[in-house]
Amino acid sequence: EDQVTQSPEALRLQEGESSSLNCSYTVSGLRGLFWYRQDPGKGPEFLFTLYSAGEEKEKERLKATLTKKESFLHITAPKPEDSATYLCAAFVGSNYKLTFGKGTLLTVNP
Amino acid sequence: DVKVTQSSRYLVKRTGEKVFLECVQDMDHENMFWYRQDPGLGLRLIYFSYDVKMKEKGDIPEGYSVSREKKERFSLILESASTNQTSMYLCASSRWTGVGSPLHFGNGTRLTVT
Repeated sequence: EDQVTQSPEALRLQEGESSSLNCSYTVSGLRGLFWYRQDPGKGPEFLFTLYSAGEEKEKERLKATLTKKESFLHITAPKPEDSATYLCAAFVGSNYKLTFGKGTLLTVNP
Repeated sequence: DVKVTQSSRYLVKRTGEKVFLECVQDMDHENMFWYRQDPGLGLRLIYFSYDVKMKEKGDIPEGYSVSREKKERFSLILESASTNQTSMYLCASSRWTGVGSPLHFGNGTRLTVT
Protein backbone atom coordinates (compact mmCIF):
# COMPACT_ATOMS: atom_id res chain seq x y z
CA GLU A 1 0.00 0.00 0.00
CA ASP A 2 1.26 3.45 -0.90
CA GLN A 3 2.21 5.51 2.12
CA VAL A 4 3.38 9.06 2.72
CA THR A 5 4.62 9.98 6.20
CA GLN A 6 5.44 13.49 7.34
CA SER A 7 7.55 14.41 10.33
CA PRO A 8 7.46 16.05 12.72
CA GLU A 9 3.71 16.42 13.23
CA ALA A 10 4.31 19.86 14.68
CA LEU A 11 7.33 22.17 14.75
CA ARG A 12 7.75 25.39 16.66
CA LEU A 13 10.56 27.74 15.59
CA GLN A 14 11.77 31.15 16.56
CA GLU A 15 11.85 33.74 13.82
CA GLY A 16 15.09 33.31 11.89
CA GLU A 17 15.68 29.73 13.10
CA SER A 18 16.12 27.56 10.00
CA SER A 19 14.88 23.97 9.92
CA SER A 20 13.57 21.18 7.67
CA LEU A 21 10.36 19.25 7.32
CA ASN A 22 10.48 15.63 6.19
CA CYS A 23 8.22 13.69 3.84
CA SER A 24 9.08 10.02 3.42
CA TYR A 25 7.24 7.85 0.94
CA THR A 26 6.88 4.18 0.18
CA VAL A 27 5.08 4.04 -3.13
CA SER A 28 5.43 2.06 -6.31
CA GLY A 29 6.24 4.16 -9.31
CA LEU A 30 6.54 7.70 -7.99
CA ARG A 31 5.91 10.14 -10.80
CA GLY A 32 5.97 13.34 -8.81
CA LEU A 33 6.06 14.74 -5.29
CA PHE A 34 3.95 17.81 -4.45
CA TRP A 35 4.26 20.26 -1.60
CA TYR A 36 1.32 22.37 -0.46
CA ARG A 37 0.84 25.03 2.19
CA GLN A 38 -2.45 25.23 4.10
CA ASP A 39 -3.48 28.17 6.26
CA PRO A 40 -6.19 27.75 8.91
CA GLY A 41 -9.66 27.75 7.40
CA LYS A 42 -8.36 27.64 3.83
CA GLY A 43 -7.68 25.04 1.17
CA PRO A 44 -4.14 23.84 0.39
CA GLU A 45 -2.10 26.13 -1.84
CA PHE A 46 0.31 24.58 -4.33
CA LEU A 47 4.02 25.24 -3.74
CA PHE A 48 6.21 22.82 -5.72
CA THR A 49 6.34 19.68 -7.82
CA LEU A 50 9.49 17.55 -7.82
CA TYR A 51 9.83 14.85 -10.44
CA SER A 52 13.12 13.03 -9.90
CA ALA A 53 15.75 12.35 -7.27
CA GLY A 54 18.24 15.16 -6.97
CA GLU A 55 15.82 17.83 -8.09
CA GLU A 56 15.51 21.03 -6.05
CA LYS A 57 13.05 23.94 -6.24
CA GLU A 58 13.03 27.22 -4.38
CA LYS A 59 10.51 29.89 -3.56
CA GLU A 60 11.43 32.73 -1.24
CA ARG A 61 12.53 31.13 2.05
CA LEU A 62 11.47 27.62 1.02
CA LYS A 63 13.53 24.99 -0.78
CA ALA A 64 12.24 21.53 -1.60
CA THR A 65 14.50 18.60 -2.37
CA LEU A 66 13.84 15.02 -3.41
CA THR A 67 15.70 11.73 -2.92
CA LYS A 68 14.59 8.22 -3.83
CA LYS A 69 12.92 7.75 -0.44
CA GLU A 70 12.04 11.18 0.90
CA SER A 71 11.60 14.85 0.31
CA PHE A 72 12.64 17.74 2.50
CA LEU A 73 11.18 21.21 2.75
CA HIS A 74 13.93 23.46 4.05
CA ILE A 75 12.87 26.74 5.60
CA THR A 76 15.59 29.36 5.84
CA ALA A 77 15.26 32.22 8.33
CA PRO A 78 11.51 31.75 8.72
CA LYS A 79 9.12 34.58 9.52
CA PRO A 80 5.83 34.40 11.46
CA GLU A 81 3.92 34.55 8.17
CA ASP A 82 5.44 31.17 7.25
CA SER A 83 3.30 29.60 9.98
CA ALA A 84 0.98 27.08 8.33
CA THR A 85 0.46 23.38 7.82
CA TYR A 86 2.69 21.97 5.10
CA LEU A 87 1.42 18.95 3.19
CA CYS A 88 3.25 16.66 0.84
CA ALA A 89 1.61 14.31 -1.64
CA ALA A 90 2.94 11.57 -3.91
CA PHE A 91 1.63 11.17 -7.44
CA VAL A 92 1.78 7.49 -8.30
CA GLY A 93 1.29 5.64 -11.52
CA SER A 94 -2.33 6.25 -12.43
CA ASN A 95 -3.72 9.42 -13.78
CA TYR A 96 -5.29 10.91 -10.71
CA LYS A 97 -4.00 9.24 -7.60
CA LEU A 98 -2.44 11.59 -5.06
CA THR A 99 -1.50 10.11 -1.71
CA PHE A 100 -1.27 12.85 0.92
CA GLY A 101 0.72 12.89 4.12
CA LYS A 102 -0.98 14.16 7.27
CA GLY A 103 1.00 17.36 7.33
CA THR A 104 3.40 19.26 9.56
CA LEU A 105 2.03 22.19 11.54
CA LEU A 106 4.72 24.87 11.56
CA THR A 107 4.55 27.73 14.03
CA VAL A 108 7.09 30.54 13.80
CA ASN A 109 7.22 32.80 16.84
CA PRO A 110 8.35 36.41 16.52
CA ASP B 1 -5.10 32.76 -11.11
CA VAL B 2 -7.27 29.70 -10.86
CA LYS B 3 -10.29 30.17 -8.72
CA VAL B 4 -12.16 27.25 -7.19
CA THR B 5 -15.24 28.42 -5.35
CA GLN B 6 -17.23 26.36 -2.90
CA SER B 7 -20.71 27.71 -2.34
CA SER B 8 -20.80 27.43 1.45
CA ARG B 9 -18.09 27.89 4.07
CA TYR B 10 -20.16 26.38 6.87
CA LEU B 11 -23.17 24.06 6.82
CA VAL B 12 -25.14 22.49 9.65
CA LYS B 13 -27.49 19.65 8.70
CA ARG B 14 -29.52 17.07 10.52
CA THR B 15 -29.01 13.32 10.33
CA GLY B 16 -30.89 11.86 7.38
CA GLU B 17 -31.03 15.05 5.36
CA LYS B 18 -29.91 15.13 1.73
CA VAL B 19 -26.99 17.52 1.42
CA PHE B 20 -25.57 19.19 -1.67
CA LEU B 21 -22.10 20.71 -1.74
CA GLU B 22 -21.37 22.81 -4.80
CA CYS B 23 -18.06 23.68 -6.42
CA VAL B 24 -17.28 25.88 -9.41
CA GLN B 25 -13.94 26.46 -11.15
CA ASP B 26 -13.28 29.26 -13.61
CA MET B 27 -10.26 28.00 -15.57
CA ASP B 28 -11.76 25.44 -17.92
CA HIS B 29 -10.01 22.59 -16.09
CA GLU B 30 -10.70 19.04 -17.21
CA ASN B 31 -10.52 17.35 -13.82
CA MET B 32 -12.38 18.04 -10.62
CA PHE B 33 -12.09 16.32 -7.24
CA TRP B 34 -13.80 16.06 -3.88
CA TYR B 35 -11.74 15.37 -0.76
CA ARG B 36 -12.56 15.31 2.90
CA GLN B 37 -10.05 16.37 5.53
CA ASP B 38 -10.17 15.08 9.09
CA PRO B 39 -7.70 15.59 11.96
CA GLY B 40 -5.29 12.69 12.14
CA LEU B 41 -6.47 11.23 8.84
CA GLY B 42 -5.36 13.86 6.37
CA LEU B 43 -6.94 14.36 2.96
CA ARG B 44 -8.88 11.46 1.48
CA LEU B 45 -10.29 11.34 -2.03
CA ILE B 46 -14.03 10.76 -2.26
CA TYR B 47 -14.70 11.06 -6.01
CA PHE B 48 -13.19 12.66 -9.03
CA SER B 49 -14.35 13.55 -12.53
CA TYR B 50 -12.18 13.76 -15.65
CA ASP B 51 -14.91 15.00 -17.97
CA VAL B 52 -18.52 16.12 -18.01
CA LYS B 53 -20.83 13.33 -16.84
CA MET B 54 -17.82 11.12 -16.06
CA LYS B 55 -16.88 10.11 -12.53
CA GLU B 56 -14.69 7.67 -10.71
CA LYS B 57 -14.67 6.52 -7.11
CA GLY B 58 -11.85 7.55 -4.87
CA ASP B 59 -10.79 5.93 -1.64
CA ILE B 60 -13.92 6.59 0.43
CA PRO B 61 -16.99 6.88 -1.85
CA GLU B 62 -19.48 5.14 0.45
CA GLY B 63 -22.37 7.39 1.40
CA TYR B 64 -21.59 9.93 -1.30
CA SER B 65 -22.48 10.55 -4.92
CA VAL B 66 -21.43 13.25 -7.38
CA SER B 67 -22.76 15.09 -10.37
CA ARG B 68 -20.96 16.92 -13.16
CA GLU B 69 -23.41 18.25 -15.71
CA LYS B 70 -21.22 21.17 -16.79
CA LYS B 71 -17.46 21.35 -17.09
CA GLU B 72 -17.07 24.08 -14.51
CA ARG B 73 -19.34 22.64 -11.82
CA PHE B 74 -18.93 19.55 -9.64
CA SER B 75 -21.41 18.68 -6.92
CA LEU B 76 -21.03 16.33 -3.98
CA ILE B 77 -24.21 14.76 -2.65
CA LEU B 78 -24.74 13.14 0.70
CA GLU B 79 -27.86 11.07 0.12
CA SER B 80 -28.66 10.68 3.82
CA ALA B 81 -26.29 12.60 6.04
CA SER B 82 -24.82 10.87 9.06
CA THR B 83 -22.81 12.20 11.98
CA ASN B 84 -19.65 10.46 10.74
CA GLN B 85 -19.80 12.68 7.68
CA THR B 86 -19.07 15.73 9.79
CA SER B 87 -15.87 17.00 8.22
CA MET B 88 -14.12 19.62 6.12
CA TYR B 89 -14.88 19.05 2.44
CA LEU B 90 -12.43 20.35 -0.14
CA CYS B 91 -13.04 20.66 -3.85
CA ALA B 92 -10.11 20.82 -6.29
CA SER B 93 -9.49 21.05 -10.00
CA SER B 94 -6.57 20.37 -12.34
CA ARG B 95 -5.98 21.39 -15.92
CA TRP B 96 -5.33 17.93 -17.33
CA THR B 97 -4.65 14.40 -16.27
CA GLY B 98 -1.04 13.85 -15.36
CA VAL B 99 1.64 14.64 -12.87
CA GLY B 100 2.49 17.98 -14.40
CA SER B 101 -0.87 19.47 -13.50
CA PRO B 102 -1.17 20.31 -9.79
CA LEU B 103 -4.45 20.44 -7.95
CA HIS B 104 -5.96 23.83 -7.12
CA PHE B 105 -8.19 23.77 -4.06
CA GLY B 106 -11.16 25.76 -2.89
CA ASN B 107 -11.35 27.05 0.66
CA GLY B 108 -13.51 24.23 1.87
CA THR B 109 -16.96 23.65 3.35
CA ARG B 110 -17.09 22.72 7.00
CA LEU B 111 -20.08 20.44 7.38
CA THR B 112 -21.55 19.53 10.73
CA VAL B 113 -24.19 16.80 10.89
CA THR B 114 -26.17 16.72 14.13
